[in-house]
Amino acid sequence: ETGVTQTPRHLVMGMTNKKSLKCEQHLGHNAMYWYKQSAKKPLELMFVYNFKEQTENNSVPSRFSPECPNSSHLFLHLHTLQPEDSALYLCASSQGYLPGQDYEQYFGPGTRLTVT
Amino acid sequence: KNQVEQSPQSLIILEGKNCTLQCNYTVSPFSNLRWYKQDTGRGPVSLTIMTFSENTKSNGRYTATLDADTKQSSLHITASQLSDSASYICVVSAIQEKLTFGTGTRLTIIP
Repeated sequence: ETGVTQTPRHLVMGMTNKKSLKCEQHLGHNAMYWYKQSAKKPLELMFVYNFKEQTENNSVPSRFSPECPNSSHLFLHLHTLQPEDSALYLCASSQGYLPGQDYEQYFGPGTRLTVT
Repeated sequence: KNQVEQSPQSLIILEGKNCTLQCNYTVSPFSNLRWYKQDTGRGPVSLTIMTFSENTKSNGRYTATLDADTKQSSLHITASQLSDSASYICVVSAIQEKLTFGTGTRLTIIP
């Protein structure tokens, strides 16, 4: 295992529901990430947190709301999602974060989200 | 615009055979390139990282090459095993830029 856990592993929700994805890392890292992985598309970076502070928001719709209470935990709160939001949501962590610097990212297994 | 293109999109080979996956990129200025392996139902795991000055790097039966002049990288898998069935993702980092991900190659090893 990579030291990054995600729950739930699978989630089916209606467009009017509110749900949250949880990520926890046991590696002592300072940076955490949310990615969206859709079929036949590259991984899309959504958010980056470094030392609990949000450092990247890649024009993600407001129906996705991240929360990082400490360096070990990361949440993604979901509300009024659309069917096109169905995808695999991956969490990752790394020792640090700086664009262009090589910090190896360790990924969790992902949450398979289906919006009906 | 920074882009990473991988080929083939999918590949099926017999167990024990060798194969080569390709990654072409237009990312600039180049910092490094990583190959990730993603098993079904799991997140990606780093196989190897290539910096500008490195041409070849091996990790067991995996050998990555980098040609910084032509902006191409390859991942060669020797004596494939059933456990090599996965998606292989090429990720390129530019200096002071975010990572650029390829769409991946889906490799299936059949007995």
